[in-house]
Parts: sequence; structure tokens; C-alpha cells
Amino acid sequence: AQSVTQPDIHITVSEGASLELRCNYSYGATPYLFWYVQSPGQGLQLLLKYFSGDTLVQGIKGFEAEFKRSQSSFNLRKPSVHWSDAAEYFCAVGAMEYGNKLVFGAGTILRVKS
Amino acid sequence: DSGVTQTPKHLITATGQRVTLRCSPRSGDLSVYWYQQSLDQGLQFLIQYYNGEERAKGNILERFSAQQFPDLHSELNLSSLELGDSALYFCASSVRGVDEQFFGPGTRLTVL
Repeated sequence: AQSVTQPDIHITVSEGASLELRCNYSYGATPYLFWYVQSPGQGLQLLLKYFSGDTLVQGIKGFEAEFKRSQSSFNLRKPSVHWSDAAEYFCAVGAMEYGNKLVFGAGTILRVKS
Repeated sequence: DSGVTQTPKHLITATGQRVTLRCSPRSGDLSVYWYQQSLDQGLQFLIQYYNGEERAKGNILERFSAQQFPDLHSELNLSSLELGDSALYFCASSVRGVDEQFFGPGTRLTVL
């Protein structure tokens, strides 16, 4: 069965510090990988996506993610966190073989301290 | 703003009732997806439509049904509502199916 694991439920970082949110997946097909962000009471906004090609992908708001097939990981990074980055982050996996439905991780809540 | 609209924003109803949630995809998007977000289950895929036809089904209860109309808007019907159906229901759309999905703001359903 397809699954996505985000091992960190909460992460707290200081403003200006670097950030890495972890995501591991288990999928029986060639995956497409996504990171979404959700602010309280809001919908999901796409940060970045990986379909194929360069394994380091750039997204909006200064985020990037690296696909590592050997580790089944797609970790999200940002070199310097801003207070406005406080939100919940979801890793998601899809595949054409499964009708492109997205399977989401449980989410990681990011807190930013000043 | 993703371009996906959902109505209503909030819905409060009683157990046993039936409700309809509406979604309008981004202009040009043929594929519509429905997801449920709850505290205990997280974000779960319910169902996908592509150009009016059901394409994939997830953990959707038999009490729930959906359809996509010729103008590509979609409706999710929830019947015989139970307390456990209280959740945030998201609609997402994509151009075809094998591409990124853009999410609407969601409908928060509260069943009392």
C-alpha cells in the first residue's frame, strides 16, 4: 500500500535559522512528489513538485526539496526561515498508475520563534 | 488564490441530514478531486472525476456520492450524516490528471 511518513509532528526553529522537514514514502510505482503548505483556516498551497529530471527542485517562498530515490525521501529545506513560514506542511505522493490521487503524510507543524 | 472555488465555506447540520458541497475547478482544468481532512484521519482522498467521468475512488463511504457536470463543476453529496463526518472537505483540480493539483479553500462541515 502507498504511504507517506512525516516523522516530525512539530518542529520549532528560530527565525533566520535553516529548516529541513522530512518526508519518506512507500510507493509501488514511479512517484510524483509534492509539498503543500496550509495556514490555519486556509486551503493547501502548492510549494513545489517533482515529476522527473533534476532531483533538486525549487519552489515558491524560497523552499527547495531534494528527491533521493535510494532513500525514498523528499525532504523540504529552506536556508533561512521567516516568521510568516509558520504553518503546517504536508508531503504528498501521487502516481499515474493510481489515478493520480494524492496520498498525504500526517503533516508537520512548523513554529517559528523570534 | 488557487482559482478553485468551493461553496459553502461553512455548513452546520444535524445527524441524519443530507448536504451538497459544490466545487468549481480552475478554468481549463478537466480533473476534479475531493479530499476529506479530519483530525483523526488526516487528509484522505475520496474520489476523482475527469471530464465528467469517475476516474478513481478512494476511501469514500457509500453514503457519499459525487458527480461532475458538463460545465466541469462538481458536487459532493453526503447523506445520513454522522458526527464522525464532521471535517474539512477540499476540492482540487488539475489540467488533466497527471499533474499538480490546486486546492480550493475547503468547506468546513459540522454535524451536530
